[in-house]
Amino acid sequence: NAGVMQNPRHLVRRRGQEARLRCSPMKGHSHVYWYRQLPEEGLKFMVYLQKENIIDESGMPKERFSAEFPKEGPSILRIQQVVRGDSAAYFCASSPGVRGIGSEQYFGPGTRLTVT
Amino acid sequence: TQLLEQSPQFLSIQEGENLTVYCNSSSVFSSLQWYRQEPGEGPVLLVTVVTGGEVKKLKRLTFQFGDARKDSSLHITAAQPGDTGLYLCAGTDLYGQNFVFGPGTRLSVLP
Repeated sequence: NAGVMQNPRHLVRRRGQEARLRCSPMKGHSHVYWYRQLPEEGLKFMVYLQKENIIDESGMPKERFSAEFPKEGPSILRIQQVVRGDSAAYFCASSPGVRGIGSEQYFGPGTRLTVT
Repeated sequence: TQLLEQSPQFLSIQEGENLTVYCNSSSVFSSLQWYRQEPGEGPVLLVTVVTGGEVKKLKRLTFQFGDARKDSSLHITAAQPGDTGLYLCAGTDLYGQNFVFGPGTRLSVLP
């Protein structure tokens, strides 16, 4: 049973370009979460999605960032017009049920975004 | 907003020593989870504790959930270099609406 998959593992973008990060949840999981981690820091929640729905985007910056989880295909975290401050590791997690008791989150290996 | 604090922030010990790291909050959580994250990788779930006072053991790791479900501890016996990593606790609030991570404890076990 494959775990959470993320690609690419490493992504380099110049300032002003767009970054697209992909996440395929574990088989049978229909809930996806995105987190950002700066070097030497903990995980910061960004967004929580269910298939075709954004449930909680309270951690998502208001501008340039968007996320989707279509009926078919992976979840996408999109960052438009990247800036150096966007450089970080972005982790995706999935769970089998609604966020809460008994619905543990399983993490992917992350995408390391570097903005030059 | 429920917050989780972890202590110590950094810990460096010799192989074979015992250690305890803590996860504390002023709020009550319905469950707490512990993760370990190694450099360059995603966090890996170690355990979930749900009941106040619950103790779970995973080989040399012992996890405890406080009676009031506001805090948790992780005790490692006879630490090994392979235990090196960032230990994160994460909690779900009573209503299941919020899931928050603590800032983590960075453990380094020297051979």
